[in-house]
Amino acid sequence: ETGVTQSPTHLIKTRGQQVTLRCSSQSGHNTVSWYQQALGQGPQFIFQYYREEENGRGNFPPRFSGLQFPNYSSELNVNALELDDSALYLCASSFGGGEQETQYFGPGTRLLVL
Amino acid sequence: QQQVKQSPQSLIVQKGGISIINCAYENTAFDYFPWYQQFPGKGPALLIAIRPDVSEKKEGRFTISFNKSAKQFSLHIMDSQPGDSATYFCAAHGGTSYGKLTFGQGTILTVHP
Repeated sequence: ETGVTQSPTHLIKTRGQQVTLRCSSQSGHNTVSWYQQALGQGPQFIFQYYREEENGRGNFPPRFSGLQFPNYSSELNVNALELDDSALYLCASSFGGGEQETQYFGPGTRLLVL
Repeated sequence: QQQVKQSPQSLIVQKGGISIINCAYENTAFDYFPWYQQFPGKGPALLIAIRPDVSEKKEGRFTISFNKSAKQFSLHIMDSQPGDSATYFCAAHGGTSYGKLTFGQGTILTVHP
């Protein structure tokens, strides 16, 4: 069984640029959630994708967008990067589209915005 | 009302001691309460989880105690080991955003040998 994988592991961008982060869900899982974890904080929910549709969204602006593909992998896109976007971005996969299911996290992508 | 409050922020325990981390919530719509362990540079790993219709769950050295009326839950780590040194997060599932996990602020646990 393959766990959740994310790419790239680290990324450096400058303010105003755009970034795309990728996530492959765990085998058998059809739901992907994205979280932002600032240094020293708990993860904050960005949104969840289930069957290629956004299935819930946290308090993040529209410049944070996502996609889920037929193989259940997912992308997180962030436009017009701001310094405060510097964080660890975590992807979590699960099965069930938001029910009381366990979410399994990947190792994250560390984004630094200069 | 969407917050999950976690305490303490940091905890130092001697090897073999008991580590206790507490969390409190307000939203009664939360329906599932997992605990995650995170090592530096890694993603959170699920440790143990509980549903609100159960008052206690034990897995090995890890126990969750859940008090629904007080809207509080806690993680107990028995016989704490240096390898348990990590950041621990409580979380709550559901609430106003379907599928969402709301996390506490985290507790940095250090177990001295």
